Amino acid sequence: NAGVTQTPKFQVLKTGQSMTLQCAQDMNHEYMSWYRQDPGMGLRLIHYSVGAGITDQGEVPNGYNVSRSTTEDFPLRLLSAAPSQTSVYFCASRPTSGEGNEQFFGPGTRLTVL
Amino acid sequence: DQQVKQNSPSLSVQEGRISILNCDYTNSMFDYFLWYKKYPAEGPTFLISISSIKDKNEDGRFTVFLNKSAKHLSLHIVPSQPGDSAVYFCAALRRWNTDKRIFGTGTRLQVFP
Repeated sequence: NAGVTQTPKFQVLKTGQSMTLQCAQDMNHEYMSWYRQDPGMGLRLIHYSVGAGITDQGEVPNGYNVSRSTTEDFPLRLLSAAPSQTSVYFCASRPTSGEGNEQFFGPGTRLTVL
Repeated sequence: DQQVKQNSPSLSVQEGRISILNCDYTNSMFDYFLWYKKYPAEGPTFLISISSIKDKNEDGRFTVFLNKSAKHLSLHIVPSQPGDSAVYFCAALRRWNTDKRIFGTGTRLQVFP
């Protein structure tokens, strides 16, 4: 199993550009989430999905769109990038059941918006 | 409004000694807590968790203690090893909505020989 994969690893955008951060998992997990990590802020939840076709907002959803057409993929779209979206983005997935409720994280995408 | 706080941004411990990482929370509705470990350029990995019905959970060298009255949890690593050097995040959630978990700001642990 590859686990959770994210592409690209690094990206530089200009203000106003759009792009999609890709996330895929091969563990057949129903639950997937997107986080951003900023210095001194920890990880903050952007959007999450409890299954194909179902998404919901997290703490900081503004400026981001998501969709979940398959169990495996959960892309994050930036419609019009802003410097405030410069961050490291992590995708995570977890199985439906399990005492630990543990999430499996991807390696992250480092995004810089100029 | 930081609901989960890790007030020590960094900690330095000698190899073989105990590392104690602390986490405080403000929302008494949180009923499940987790610790994650993160190496540079990697995603966080789950380390250990504890339910609010317990006050201690142990897994090898790692033990998490929960003090509900003080809204405080701590992670003990005994003995500390150089490979434990990483950033540690605590997270809190409510079991009915397990995807809305709140993370602390992290503590960077350095274990030196």
